[in-house]
Amino acid sequence: RKEVEQDPGPFNVPEGATVAFNCTYSNSASQSFFWYRQDCRKEPKLLMSVYSSGNEDGRFTAQLNRASQYISLLIRDSKLSDSATYLCVVNIPSGSARQLTFGSGTQLTVLP
Amino acid sequence: DGGITQSPKYLFRKEGQNVTLSCEQNLNHDAMYWYRQDPGQGLRLIYYSQIVNDFQKGDIAEGYSVSREKKESFPLTVTSAQKNPTAFYLCASSPPGRGDYNEQFFGPGTRLTVL
Repeated sequence: RKEVEQDPGPFNVPEGATVAFNCTYSNSASQSFFWYRQDCRKEPKLLMSVYSSGNEDGRFTAQLNRASQYISLLIRDSKLSDSATYLCVVNIPSGSARQLTFGSGTQLTVLP
Repeated sequence: DGGITQSPKYLFRKEGQNVTLSCEQNLNHDAMYWYRQDPGQGLRLIYYSQIVNDFQKGDIAEGYSVSREKKESFPLTVTSAQKNPTAFYLCASSPPGRGDYNEQFFGPGTRLTVL
């Protein structure tokens, strides 16, 4: 089983749609969770951290379910500019190492 | 402006040559990382450094080497021992404090192609 798993997509949605991505992680001791966005042939950029209580930033909502070991990202009122690959990122505890493990990403295309 | 810079943006190498990729940050971050990304895949950790003069192997360190002589700089050398070096290389850094697993910030990357 992969340490961090995401549905690769692609997700093709019309402008204005609501779309949700899920991500599962294997290590129940993981403490830090993030969503990154990566545009084609560019570097990943931090979209938002994911907190236990869930958090919202404008049209984006992230949630954490520790019992089921998954995190989710909800995008409301999709814009063309939201087209990108969304990476789920989780820390995998390994001694004192400050490491993050990246999922392979979910590709989103918002269509006009 | 604070940030992470990588150079060159594109790099072409002949088989059997070593090449060094530059990564510099002026964010005063302690930790720095090198990742490799292949098409359609996630990032894989090559090496990381939590402090000057110290670095650790990641998941795919074979065929790579690094140094960390200055806090701001973490160059990666791709040696001829790396069998399949064509990839997108990303450098990242992470701020101090707030626990061990802080978010990482990335440079723009270097695309290496072996001819």
